[in-house]
Amino acid sequence: AQSVTQLGSHVSVSEGALVLLRCNYSSSVPPYLFWYVQYPNQGLQLLLKYTSAATLVKGINGFEAEFKKSETSFHLTKPSAHMSDAAEYFCAVSGGGSNYKLTFGKGTLLTVNP
Amino acid sequence: DSGVTQTPKHLITATGQRVTLRCSPRSGDLSVYWYQQSLDQGLQFLIQYYNGEERAKGNILERFSAQQFPDLHSELNLSSLELGDSALYFCASSVELAGWGDNEQFFGPGTRLTVL
Repeated sequence: AQSVTQLGSHVSVSEGALVLLRCNYSSSVPPYLFWYVQYPNQGLQLLLKYTSAATLVKGINGFEAEFKKSETSFHLTKPSAHMSDAAEYFCAVSGGGSNYKLTFGKGTLLTVNP
Repeated sequence: DSGVTQTPKHLITATGQRVTLRCSPRSGDLSVYWYQQSLDQGLQFLIQYYNGEERAKGNILERFSAQQFPDLHSELNLSSLELGDSALYFCASSVELAGWGDNEQFFGPGTRLTVL
């Protein structure tokens, strides 16, 4: 079975500060990992995905994430927060093979203060 | 715009009723997934269809059912509705190439169901 744990249901940063959203996964098979963002009253949009090609993954809007197998982590970072980054962020894992369903973490709400 | 459409956007109904949620996947995508998002359960996978066939089931109640039609659109049927079924229901689609677990799923805007 696969699972995802997102540490911190709410993270608050100042505009221009580093954003760090934490995600740890559990998977019995090599995982495919994703970060999605959800703006208020909208669907989920893919930020980036890890597919085993490179451990450091760059996504949209200046976000990136690093896959660390030894720590079973896939933390999301952005060097400088912008007001428009305020949203809920979800980490998800997919098992590969014939199992493509996404298992999501509980989400982290990011607040950006002026 | 992800290319996935869902109707209706909002649905308000009473306990005991039955509703149907509709999803049209992106052009060319064969796979449709349904997810439920609620405050207490978070985002949970319900069911997946691939080219008209049920592929995988998650935490889907027996009162819920789904199908995918020949034109690849999908419907999620929820019956004997209870207050606890109030949630946001998302449909996602992917092209799903065989053996590629990193198939990106594109999400629709969701249907917000309120059961009174």
